[in-house]
Amino acid sequence: NAGVTQTPKFRVLKTGQSMTLLCAQDMNHEYMYWYRQDPGMGLRLIHYSVGEGTTAKGEVPDGYNVSRLKKQNFLLGLESAAPSQTSVYFCASSSTGSRGNTEAFFGQGTRLTVV
Amino acid sequence: LAKTTQPISMDSYEGQEVNITCSHNNIATNDYITWYQQFPSQGPRFIIQGYKTKVTNEVASLFIPADRKSSTLSLPRVSLSDTAVYYCLVAPNQAGTALIFGKGTTLSVSS
Repeated sequence: NAGVTQTPKFRVLKTGQSMTLLCAQDMNHEYMYWYRQDPGMGLRLIHYSVGEGTTAKGEVPDGYNVSRLKKQNFLLGLESAAPSQTSVYFCASSSTGSRGNTEAFFGQGTRLTVV
Repeated sequence: LAKTTQPISMDSYEGQEVNITCSHNNIATNDYITWYQQFPSQGPRFIIQGYKTKVTNEVASLFIPADRKSSTLSLPRVSLSDTAVYYCLVAPNQAGTALIFGKGTTLSVSS
């Protein structure tokens, strides 16, 4: 059982380039989240989705866009990368099970460097 | 969402019991308290969740007083492998809730 898979694991971008991070989950979860974590900091929510076709802004949405065209996938896009977006990005998913949507399962992270 | 406050860091030695307290003074009636653990270079993982009184599982215990304005995560007899960041989250267990993490508590266990 793969759980939550993030692609790619590492990426180096030049300032101004664009890219898409892919998150895939095989647990049929309704909710999906994108976070960023900077060195020595906690996780900050970028965008999240409560179901296929829906997205919502989190704490730090500027400079990012997301899409949830399929239930199992949640894409995070950077249209014009900036050095301030250098970070580790984590995707998570959760369901409405016994612990509700507060039990989230996380991917292994994507380490992004913008030079 | 209820704001949480926890110590930035804690130090312990192997074999000791560690208690990490989280304050959440404005917790709502339908909020649950959830704790996560994050090892370096990994995503967080769920440890334990509770609503009131005491919850225990194979990893930890969670103590919640009657007024629910705080909660304490208890790790019995820690080992070096318990060195991690521990996050306290307070949120309703319902659809549409965004999960907001704070800075967490960095626990360092020494031999």
